[in-house]
Order: sequence, then structure tokens, then C-alpha cells
Amino acid sequence: DQQVKQNSPSLSVQEGRISILNCDYTNSMFDYFLWYKKYPAEGPTFLISISSIKDKNEDGRFTVFLNKSAKHLSLHIVPSQPGDSAVYFCAASESGGSNYKLTFGKGTLLTVNP
Amino acid sequence: DADVTQTPRNRITKTGKRIMLECSQTKGHDRMYWYRQDPGLGLRLIYYSFDVKDINKGEISDGYSVSRQAQAKFSLSLESAIPNQTALYFCATSDLTSGGAVETQYFGPGTRLLVL
Repeated sequence: DQQVKQNSPSLSVQEGRISILNCDYTNSMFDYFLWYKKYPAEGPTFLISISSIKDKNEDGRFTVFLNKSAKHLSLHIVPSQPGDSAVYFCAASESGGSNYKLTFGKGTLLTVNP
Repeated sequence: DADVTQTPRNRITKTGKRIMLECSQTKGHDRMYWYRQDPGLGLRLIYYSFDVKDINKGEISDGYSVSRQAQAKFSLSLESAIPNQTALYFCATSDLTSGGAVETQYFGPGTRLLVL
């Protein structure tokens, strides 16, 4: 049973527009969420995270929104740039004793067209 | 220089062969992990280690073994490779945080393994 779901395998947007990547989770014990970005032939790199005590976290062009009641989070990229083209993984974890264990979604391939 | 390195980057092997994937890190982290990624799937945890000589099974450890003989090195072995172990393998590291905060994991570039 998949506990972290990214239901869109791919997303294509125009340069300068907003990219919105979505992620849903089923485990109510998850209280910390991360987004990783992965380019071809490279390992995933940490992008941004959010704790369940917040509903928004912003870092430059990247903002993550968390809706705990819906068990849904989203990553907004504004404005999108061609260099943002990559696979984006949503990951979730429980803080505290199991804070090392990340559960990943399947990823969404974002393509930003010039 | 990369903080987390993996060797080899690509490997082709035959069914039944034993192979080892190596991971080294210069980040000084205590915790190290091995994941595999299959097409259309997320990353799944194979094994993890919190310290030298500490080994723990992840969600898909069958068919794999690991060795953590130094803080900076964590190797993954396939004792008898089979075709469904064809995948992209990633090593990751993290450091213990205080207060129960979730640790950020830093990934190596991956090893692409093909088992014929």
C-alpha cells in the first residue's frame, strides 16, 4: 500500500509560468515532508521541507503548502525555469524516534519549455 | 569533489554472480543508507546503518547484504544477482539531529545495475 502518492507522472509548463506538483499521503503519523529534485545521472538533492506545525514554507522560487486535513501537500515553483526540468520526489517522515526513515512517492517529471 | 561517491557508476553482470557496490562519504555523517529505484517507482530502503558495525534491514533487504567497516564507507552486496535486481541504486548519508527533527539525507550519484 503506497503511503505517499504522486499521481501525476509528468507535468509540462512554459517558462515563466507556475509549476504545481502535488503529493498525497495516507499515514497520519507523518509529520514532516520533504521535496527532492533529481536530474538524470545524478542522485536526488534536497529542495525544501515542511513540518506539520506549519502550512507553508517558502524558499526563493519554491513554496511548499501543507493541508493536513486533506493529507495533501504541493510544491509551487514560480517562475518556472528550464533548469527546473527534473524529476521531483515527495517524501514523508515521522519526527522523533523514526526520523531517519523517509517514505518516497514515485516522482513527477517536470518539463519546463523555453 | 562530491561528498558522497559511489562506485561503480554502471555495472552489467550475469545471473548468479556476486557483486559489490561501494559508497564513500566525506561529510563525516554517522548514518548511511542504501536505496533502490525502479522505473516508475520511488526510492525504497534496502539497508541502513547508524554507526560502524550497526546494520539494520530496510523494507526490501532480501537478496542483499551490507557491510559498514568504517564511518565513511558502506558497501552493498548482491550475493547471487538475479534479473529483478536490475535497478538504480543510491547511497545516502545523514547526521543525527537533536530534538527529533527529521534528518536531511544526502544522496550519491547512483549506480546503474543491469543483471542479465
